[in-house]
Amino acid sequence: AQSVTQLDSHVSVSEGTPVLLRCNYSSSYSPSLFWYVQHPNKGLQLLLKYTSAATLVKGINGFEAEFKKSETSFHLTKPSAHMSDAAEYFCVVSDRRGATNKLIFGTGTLLAVQP
Amino acid sequence: DGGITQSPKYLFRKEGQNVTLSCEQNLNHDAMYWYRQDPGQGLRLIYYSQIVNDFQKGDIAEGYSVSREKKESFPLTVTSAQKNPTAFYLCASSISGALWNTEAFFGQGTRLTVV
Repeated sequence: AQSVTQLDSHVSVSEGTPVLLRCNYSSSYSPSLFWYVQHPNKGLQLLLKYTSAATLVKGINGFEAEFKKSETSFHLTKPSAHMSDAAEYFCVVSDRRGATNKLIFGTGTLLAVQP
Repeated sequence: DGGITQSPKYLFRKEGQNVTLSCEQNLNHDAMYWYRQDPGQGLRLIYYSQIVNDFQKGDIAEGYSVSREKKESFPLTVTSAQKNPTAFYLCASSISGALWNTEAFFGQGTRLTVV
């Protein structure tokens, strides 16, 4: 069965320093993986997705993620954090069992950015 | 602008009452989903629908009901049988429920509080 594990529930960085949010996945198939961002009391916005093309995926707002099959990881990175990046981030895998595409969410990582 | 509209943004309900959350999309998407979000638990799937007049239970369907009479609309009713209804509810849609590599688009959510 497909699942995702977000290794950190909270991450705090200083503005201008790199961001690393870690995600490991488990999948019996070649997975589709996504990162979503959620600002307080808002819906979720897609940052980027991996669907078996290039292993390094570039997303919006300077974020990128690298799919590493050998490590079953899909970590999210950004070279320089901005105050507006403070939000909760979800790693998501697509469940390919059955006839319906269902998304399985990690428990989220709350990113704090200090001035 | 195309998107998903959830209403109301905040909802208060007395114990023992049923309440209906609205979700409308103008993206011409076939599939629609309802998720529940609780702190530290990520998003959990309540119900999903691949096409009009069809819907399936997700992982936590007990105490909830849905209908899909129109492609654009997928209302969720939280019944009095739901033992812990206070949560943030998110509606989503995707172009097709059968394509495993497609992302979901989310509404802004409804925060339900039982008083």
